[in-house]
Amino acid sequence: NAGVMQNPRHLVRRRGQEARLRCSPMKGHSHVYWYRQLPEEGLKFMVYLQKENIIDESGMPKERFSAEFPKEGPSILRIQQVVRGDSAAYFCASSPLGTGLGTDTQYFGPGTRLTVL
Amino acid sequence: KNQVEQSPQSLIILEGKNCTLQCNYTVSPFSNLRWYKQDTGRGPVSLTIMTFSENTKSNGRYTATLDADTKQSSLHITASQLSDSASYICVVTGTSGTYKYIFGTGTRLKVLA
Repeated sequence: NAGVMQNPRHLVRRRGQEARLRCSPMKGHSHVYWYRQLPEEGLKFMVYLQKENIIDESGMPKERFSAEFPKEGPSILRIQQVVRGDSAAYFCASSPLGTGLGTDTQYFGPGTRLTVL
Repeated sequence: KNQVEQSPQSLIILEGKNCTLQCNYTVSPFSNLRWYKQDTGRGPVSLTIMTFSENTKSNGRYTATLDADTKQSSLHITASQLSDSASYICVVTGTSGTYKYIFGTGTRLKVLA
C-alpha cells in the first residue's frame, strides 16, 4: 500500500519560471492538503482540497499560487513567476476523511524541495 | 506569534538514555494534539494523537502526556536508539477547521552511540 507520493523530490527553477508540484494521495484518500516549510520554520498550512473542489485556501498567497485536485490524476500545486522567497519544502498530506478528528490523521508525503535561483 | 512553541530547539543524548521534549500551545479552543517524527529529508510521520480529555498516550518507546488546563504536552522517549535521531514536532488543531494543522518548529534530537 503505497503512501503519499510527491514528485519531483527536488525542483530547481530560475526567477520568473513556473513550478508544478504533484501529489498522489494514499489509496482511498480523497482529501489532500498542502503545507509549506520555510528553512528553520514549522510547516504552514496552505490549502485543503477534495476531488474537484477547493475547500479552504486561506493559507495560500493571494497571487501566483494555485492548487487543483482533478477528478482523475494527482493534485497539483502551481507557482507562477517564482521568486527566491518561494524556495522551501512543499509537503502534501492526505486523509481518509476531512474532519481532522480522532484517527482521521493526515499522512504526509516526502516533500518537494523547491530552489529558486 | 507562534501558537505552538517547543523546547528545547535541539538535544543531544547518548544511546540508551531517556529524554523528554516539551510543547506549549495557545490554540484555543483546542481539539487534538499530535506528535510527529520527521527524519531529515522526509515527511512527518504520526506518533501519537490525543484529544483534550486524554492525559497520556503511548506508542512503543514513545509516551505523550497532555495537560489541557496548562496547555502543555510532553513527549518522553525511553531507551533511545540511533534511529530516534530526527525532528519531533508538536501539532495542534483547534475546533475550527480541525483539518488545519498548526505545527511547532520541532525539537531536533541527535542520539549518539
